[in-house]
Amino acid sequence: DIQMTQSPSSLSASVGDRVTITCRASQSIGSFLNWYQQKPGKAPKLLIHTASTLQSGVPSTFSGSGSGTDFTLTISALQPEDFATYYCQQTNNIPYTFGQGTKVEIK
Amino acid sequence: EVQLLESGGGLVQPGGSLRLSCVASGFTFSSYAMSWVRQAPGKGLEWVSAISGSGGGAYYADSVKGRFTISRDSSKNTLYLQMNSLRADDTAVYYCAKDTLITVFGVGDVWGKGTTVTVSS
Repeated sequence: DIQMTQSPSSLSASVGDRVTITCRASQSIGSFLNWYQQKPGKAPKLLIHTASTLQSGVPSTFSGSGSGTDFTLTISALQPEDFATYYCQQTNNIPYTFGQGTKVEIK
Repeated sequence: EVQLLESGGGLVQPGGSLRLSCVASGFTFSSYAMSWVRQAPGKGLEWVSAISGSGGGAYYADSVKGRFTISRDSSKNTLYLQMNSLRADDTAVYYCAKDTLITVFGVGDVWGKGTTVTVSS
């Protein structure tokens, strides 16, 4: 199975900050990398698919980049509603594995 | 509006069975693959199973292979997960998710609210 490792596991930031979360795959997955946001008690929400394609309705403050084994989710200016846990997921090989999550908290 | 609504969760003893359902609305159900993803209490997301839009292809995580069966009924716009030989580590919120293609691609662009399964004696 492909292992997905996110860093950091958690971070504290202020509204307006630029935030970067990284995700590393244990082997090359091309661009088959997705990012989800999850708030407590809620279902995950798709933010970005195929590494850099913004899902419809997602603010342009979110962006994704990378290919192969190293990927990045960037929030250009953190908003109050962005405090949540973020997960990467590879869809190159079944089983489709997720990273362990990155919790973004208010500083 | 595209919606998914799961049901069928509950408390079950180890070794028991449950069948989860996910009713879809607002889109052509047979045109999209579907998945089940679970989340144990306080833990991250785990992909469980997926099925193609035609129902001809089904895939499973090793942790559930041989115990869980995914299926779909397009006449009822419903996705199912039959869970047998349940274990304590199957305790989780189970989400169904709509894929972006008719073939299994694994991208969940619409998710249900989840149904809770607790395996305990």
